[in-house]
Amino acid sequence: EDKVVQSPLSLVVHEGDTVTLNCSYEVTNFRSLLWYKQEKKAPTFLFMLTSSGIEKKSGRLSSILDKKELFSILNITATQTGDSAVYLCAVESGSNYKLTFGKGTLLTVNP
Amino acid sequence: DSGVTQTPKHLITATGQRVTLRCSPRSGDLSVYWYQQSLDQGLQFLIQYYNGEERAKGNILERFSAQQFPDLHSELNLSSLELGDSALYFCASSVDATGELFFGEGSRLTVL
Repeated sequence: EDKVVQSPLSLVVHEGDTVTLNCSYEVTNFRSLLWYKQEKKAPTFLFMLTSSGIEKKSGRLSSILDKKELFSILNITATQTGDSAVYLCAVESGSNYKLTFGKGTLLTVNP
Repeated sequence: DSGVTQTPKHLITATGQRVTLRCSPRSGDLSVYWYQQSLDQGLQFLIQYYNGEERAKGNILERFSAQQFPDLHSELNLSSLELGDSALYFCASSVDATGELFFGEGSRLTVL
């Protein structure tokens, strides 16, 4: 059975801190890894990673994938209160491109 | 706004009842996914359709069924409801069957 494990489950930081969120996976026939941000309701897409070692960056957020060690990290620098959300990692796998989500990391950024 | 529309937004019903949740994907998206999100389980994949055909099945109970219609909207039917079915049900769509998903706002089901 495909497995996606995120850590930590929750994290509380102060504005301006840098955080690193972790995602490890065990799937059959890996295709891609995706990060989503979930605030109040619907998850919204952040990154899609398919190749090892290539960093994807969007503003203060960046992510990288290690296909040998089967993990990814999501970095957020200079955190702001608006970054408070659940960050979800998902892995796409198999011939039918099934998407399996981790349970998420709840990030709280205090002013 | 993701462009994915789900109705109803909230639904309260009793055990043993049957409900139907509806999803309209983004214009042009052929693939529709259904996910169940509860506090302890996270986002659980239920089922995926691509252009009217079932593409992948996850942990969907036999009491649940879904379909995608020729106009590409989808319905998720939940029957013989139990207290444990209370959850947020998300629909998501994508252009093809891969990559970035666009999620609707969800339908919150409460079974009393």
